[in-house]
Amino acid sequence: GIQVEQSPPDLILQEGANSTLRCNFSDSVNNLQWFHQNPWGQLINLFYIPSGTKQNGRLSATTVATERYSLLYISSSQTTDSGVYFCAVEKGGTSYGKLTFGQGTILTVHP
Amino acid sequence: DAGVTQSPTHLIKTRGQHVTLRCSPISGHKSVSWYQQVLGQGPQFIFQYYEKEERGRGNFPDRFSARQFPNYSSELNVNALLLGDSALYLCASSPDRGWGYTFGSGTRLTVV
Repeated sequence: GIQVEQSPPDLILQEGANSTLRCNFSDSVNNLQWFHQNPWGQLINLFYIPSGTKQNGRLSATTVATERYSLLYISSSQTTDSGVYFCAVEKGGTSYGKLTFGQGTILTVHP
Repeated sequence: DAGVTQSPTHLIKTRGQHVTLRCSPISGHKSVSWYQQVLGQGPQFIFQYYEKEERGRGNFPDRFSARQFPNYSSELNVNALLLGDSALYLCASSPDRGWGYTFGSGTRLTVV
């Protein structure tokens, strides 16, 4: 099956710092999403971004489908950004409906 | 509009028992998927249903089953519970292909 690798596994920042999270995937995909999992377990959809660049406030994401990677940028980080960030991909075809998740990046933002 | 709703939020069961978890998708969404997330890992795909038909199954034993009802809500059933079934069970819905998935808050199952 498709492999999804995220880096770094852990990231510790001071409030106000910027960061970049990376997601590499092993095959072409129809869907790529970035999620933030809060301490209560809920997965919050940040971006649906199978290709191109999107921005939402302090967050932006870029997916280069031909090179099989995606980046999530967090600018001016806040303590509320802490949590686990997951990248998930859907290959399509017979794998339609199946999201494959990476292992996540644990982000801790200190005040 | 209500998001994806799951019930119950927490559940404690004894080994060997059976459990039923429920999910209501966002209104108008026809696809429902189920995921299991054990501590420290990313969610793992269990099932996907679209228009009441099973469209995908992950690498889980036959003790796991699911169904989707005419109103597109779904149930996940797990028989003969094992300690290793303790996890957060997440439900996701989508209107159709190419629209991405929205997740519910999950059901945290503890098997003792």
